[in-house]
Amino acid sequence: NAGVTQTPKFQVLKTGQSMTLQCAQDMNHEYMSWYRQDPGMGLRLIHYSVGAGITDQGEVPNGYNVSRSTTEDFPLRLLSAAPSQTSVYFCASRTQGATNEKLFFGSGTQLSVL
Amino acid sequence: AQSVAQPEDQVNVAEGNPLTVKCTYSVSGNPYLFWYVQYPNRGLQFLLKYITGDNLVKGSYGFEAEFNKSQTSFHLKKPSALVSDSALYFCAVRAPGSGNTGKLIFGQGTTLQVKP
Repeated sequence: NAGVTQTPKFQVLKTGQSMTLQCAQDMNHEYMSWYRQDPGMGLRLIHYSVGAGITDQGEVPNGYNVSRSTTEDFPLRLLSAAPSQTSVYFCASRTQGATNEKLFFGSGTQLSVL
Repeated sequence: AQSVAQPEDQVNVAEGNPLTVKCTYSVSGNPYLFWYVQYPNRGLQFLLKYITGDNLVKGSYGFEAEFNKSQTSFHLKKPSALVSDSALYFCAVRAPGSGNTGKLIFGQGTTLQVKP
């Protein structure tokens, strides 16, 4: 019953540091995505992937990189953290196909960049 | 441009009373509409969706939503609120033809507070 697992739950970085947010799902979902949640702005899509080896940009991709080497894992990399990247990050997955639109979310990573 | 608006930052309701959380959308064509709920320190959970068919959609935990094409609205409702319904609610829309992106446009969220 793991679903979508995100690590770490909390992280504090200094400006310019790099880090990777981990995301893994055990539901064999083709589609995986990263969102950031900011107060009063809802969730915004950063990057997404429709399968291993395939990634694409979402609404706010700048400052973030992703890769998808396996179906299960979809890490999000911050190359040089900036205070504007202080946010709560959510990974989400679902099966592909127009009739199955239900996203499964992880519990989130709260990131602070000082 | 596609957009979703949740006009109320917070909705307060007494336990046992009916509740409505409002959502309006702007999208070309026939939209796919969703409601998600977020409990404190948790990820979002799917409540219900409208793709096509009956305008009244029933979902989890006794919630339902009514699709109104003429008013471009998709309000979330429940006949009798519970204290445990207190959470942050998000409306989301996906435009048909957005293909593999699966990109959802989320509203800014509405905090529902149910008081005993």
